[in-house]
Amino acid sequence: DTGVSQDPRHKITKRGQNVTFRCDPISEHNRLYWYRQTLGQGPEFLTYFQNEAQLEKSRLLSDRFSAERPKGSFSTLEIQRTEQGDSAMYLCASSRDRLSHYGYTFGSGTRLTVV
Amino acid sequence: AQRVTQPEKLLSVFKGAPVELKCNYSYSGSPELFWYVQYSRQRLQLLLRHISRESIKGFTADLNKGETSFHLKKPFAQEEDSAMYYCALSGQTGNQFYFGTGTSLTVIP
Repeated sequence: DTGVSQDPRHKITKRGQNVTFRCDPISEHNRLYWYRQTLGQGPEFLTYFQNEAQLEKSRLLSDRFSAERPKGSFSTLEIQRTEQGDSAMYLCASSRDRLSHYGYTFGSGTRLTVV
Repeated sequence: AQRVTQPEKLLSVFKGAPVELKCNYSYSGSPELFWYVQYSRQRLQLLLRHISRESIKGFTADLNKGETSFHLKKPFAQEEDSAMYYCALSGQTGNQFYFGTGTSLTVIP
């Protein structure tokens, strides 16, 4: 297993377009998380899945954002009608159990630029 | 409200000098604190956890509940320590991290 994989690495899109990102977690990890990181800031929590269930969502996740993890394996994050403020690095992470015991394993991220 | 503060955005030290990266937190319950590191062109990775009381790559961090701090220390900085360091807090639910804004450490040869 090569760790958490995210695709694409970079995405440039025009304002108003929809984009979708994919995350493949470490196979034995049942928890999957999405974070967003803007320039000069630390990662900010967006949402979290345990298996296929989306258990927590941040207020940052507006109605233009949706995330799925249909079979408890890979996850997708979709942003509809993108805005320039959505430009950021989108990070996926996974963990085996309560993160306090193991911490996260992060992916390399998808850098979104909205022009 | 949960908050993690890293007061220094940039920190430069000479090779062989001691280094301390500051982290203060605000949390009403019993937090669990972590340090993450991001080397140039690499992904964010866990450096150490306060619950394990470990030393990784010569770094240590002690949780001081009285001062609500979790400063990262190393007695002798090395050039390969140059990186971005993030302090993170996990609350009692254990479902998410709250990250600080990070400190960019540069070790001058």
